[in-house]
Amino acid sequence: AQKVTQAQTEISVVEKEDVTLDCVYETRDTTYYLFWYKQPPSGELVFLIRRNSFDEQNEISGRYSWNFQKSTSSFNFTITASQVVDSAVYFCALPTGNQFYFGTGTSLTVIP
Amino acid sequence: DGGITQSPKYLFRKEGQNVTLSCEQNLNHDAMYWYRQDPGQGLRLIYYSQIVNDFQKGDIAEGYSVSREKKESFPLTVTSAQKNPTAFYLCASSKTAGAAYNEQFFGPGTRLTVL
Repeated sequence: AQKVTQAQTEISVVEKEDVTLDCVYETRDTTYYLFWYKQPPSGELVFLIRRNSFDEQNEISGRYSWNFQKSTSSFNFTITASQVVDSAVYFCALPTGNQFYFGTGTSLTVIP
Repeated sequence: DGGITQSPKYLFRKEGQNVTLSCEQNLNHDAMYWYRQDPGQGLRLIYYSQIVNDFQKGDIAEGYSVSREKKESFPLTVTSAQKNPTAFYLCASSKTAGAAYNEQFFGPGTRLTVL
């Protein structure tokens, strides 16, 4: 069965601190993709990154970085030097067949 | 600009009434989806459509209905049979369904409140 777990419900950090959002997944597929989305207060989900199971290299995009480890079934997301605009709900997702399975999300609040 | 529009942004309904939520996309995507979001529960799939005139039930289809008469449009009707309809509803689309590498693009959502 496909499952995505985001154990951190809410996180608060002070601006400029680093923060890591955890994502643990379960899948029976041998090849698969993982996604991260951001949902700002406006409500619309914004695509951040896609990673396939063949590529375990860390990905960095500006202040964002992702650590994918198949051995622990984790796909964690780190924001470096957080900013108030990073305040949002972040979702990890695992597609299979015709469906995306989303985690329950982590609500991040960055305090100025 | 290409994207997904949902209307209205806020919707109020009396108990026992059916209500239809609009979703339109101009991305030329084949697949469209409806999700329901409740606090602390993430997104749950209601219905999806891979092509025009075809749609499939998701995990929580009871009390909902959809149609896909045009590629651009995928309206969702919340019927009086839906016991707890108050939620945030998100529409999404992707180039095709069944290809795990295709990201889904989301609309701004409709917040439905049953009075």
